[in-house]
Amino acid sequence: QKEVEQDPGPLSVPEGAIVSLNCTYSNSAFQYFMWYRQYSRKGPELLMYTYSSGNKEDGRFTAQVDKSSKYISLFIRDSQPSDSATYLCAMRMNTGFQKLVFGTGTRLLVSP
Amino acid sequence: DGGITQSPKYLFRKEGQNVTLSCEQNLNHDAMYWYRQDPGQGLRLIYYSQIVNDFQKGDIAEGYSVSREKKESFPLTVTSAQKNPTAFYLCASSFSRDRGNGYTFGSGTRLTVV
Repeated sequence: QKEVEQDPGPLSVPEGAIVSLNCTYSNSAFQYFMWYRQYSRKGPELLMYTYSSGNKEDGRFTAQVDKSSKYISLFIRDSQPSDSATYLCAMRMNTGFQKLVFGTGTRLLVSP
Repeated sequence: DGGITQSPKYLFRKEGQNVTLSCEQNLNHDAMYWYRQDPGQGLRLIYYSQIVNDFQKGDIAEGYSVSREKKESFPLTVTSAQKNPTAFYLCASSFSRDRGNGYTFGSGTRLTVV
């Protein structure tokens, strides 16, 4: 079993829809959680960074962490065609050196 | 502007040939990483380095080698021992002690065996 599980998709939605992307994990020691967005043939870029449980909002994006269920989510409101990309979750333990564990990524397609 | 630069963008390798992928950063990051990305498999860690002149194997180090002679540079050599090198290679950097920034990635090198 992988430490971090993520549905590869693709997830296809119409423009304006609310998108929910999710990851589950098995290691209860993970404390820091991130979401990266990767456009085709490009490197991933950091979208959201959260610590422990709770919600964090940034514009149309909301990151949610439920440590009791070992489940994290990224919500995208009013989705746009420019949001079409692969979204990777990443997480790490609370150790001195930050070594991230990545999910495999979910491909999102937003149609106009 | 600070950033991380990978070159070349596309690279073609003949059977039995070694090739070196370049990664340079000017973010003053002390840690650097190499990942391989294949369709459906996500990011797999090849090597990482926390400080100059030190590096550790990741999950799939066989057939690869690295060096870290300068803080800014972390080149990856794909040797002839790597039997299936065709993939998208990503270099990343970060502060060893997390400052809430995660990793910064380069734009990748696509390696194809011909």
